[in-house]
Amino acid sequence: AQSVTQPDIHITVSEGASLELRCNYSYGATPYLFWYVQSPGQGLQLLLKYFSGDTLVQGIKGFEAEFKRSQSSFNLRKPSVHWSDAAEYFCAVAGVDSWGKLQFGAGTQVVVTP
Amino acid sequence: DVKVTQSSRYLVKRTGEKVFLECVQDMDHENMFWYRQDPGLGLRLIYFSYDVKMKEKGDIPEGYSVSREKKERFSLILESASTNQTSMYLCASQRYNSPLHFGNGTRLTVT
Repeated sequence: AQSVTQPDIHITVSEGASLELRCNYSYGATPYLFWYVQSPGQGLQLLLKYFSGDTLVQGIKGFEAEFKRSQSSFNLRKPSVHWSDAAEYFCAVAGVDSWGKLQFGAGTQVVVTP
Repeated sequence: DVKVTQSSRYLVKRTGEKVFLECVQDMDHENMFWYRQDPGLGLRLIYFSYDVKMKEKGDIPEGYSVSREKKERFSLILESASTNQTSMYLCASQRYNSPLHFGNGTRLTVT
C-alpha cells in the first residue's frame, strides 16, 4: 500500500530565509507526486506535481521540489520565504491508474517570523 | 478558473441527525471526491465518483454514504451523525488524469 510521511509537523522560519519541507513516500512503482498548500480557512491549492522526466519540478509561488528515487523523497524548497507562505503544506502520492485517489501526508505547519 | 463550491462553511449538528454535505463544481469534471481532514492525519478519502450514479469507497467509508445524481453535484451523507465525525470535510473535482481542485471545506461539529 502506498503511504506518505512528512517527518516535520511544525517548522518555524524567518522571513527571507530558505525553507525545505521533507516528504518520503512508499510505493511499488514510480508514483505521481504532489505538493499542496492550505492557507487558513481555505481549501488546498496545488503547488506543483511530478509525473516523469526532469526530477526538479518548478511550481507556483517560487516553490520547487526534487524527486529522488533512490531516497523515495520529494522535498519541497523555497529560497526565500515571505510572510504569506505561512500555511500548512501537504505532500501526496497517487498511482498511475488512480489519479484522484491521493494518499496524503499528515502535513507540515509552517510559521514565518519577522 | 475551476470553482468547487461547498454549500456550508460551518455546520453544527446533534448526535443521531442525518447530515447532508453538498458540493458543486462548474467545470464538467468527471471525477469528484470527498476527503476528511483531521489534525495529524492529513486528508483521508471517504468516497469518490467517476460518473453520475457511480460511487466507490475510499479508505474510510464507514458511517458515510454519497449521492451523485447530476454530474456537477456530489453529496456526502452522514446517516446518523456521531461525535467522531466532527471534522473538516473537503470536496474535490477532477478532469480525468488532471490534478484535483478542492473546495474551501465544511467544518462539521457533532454535539
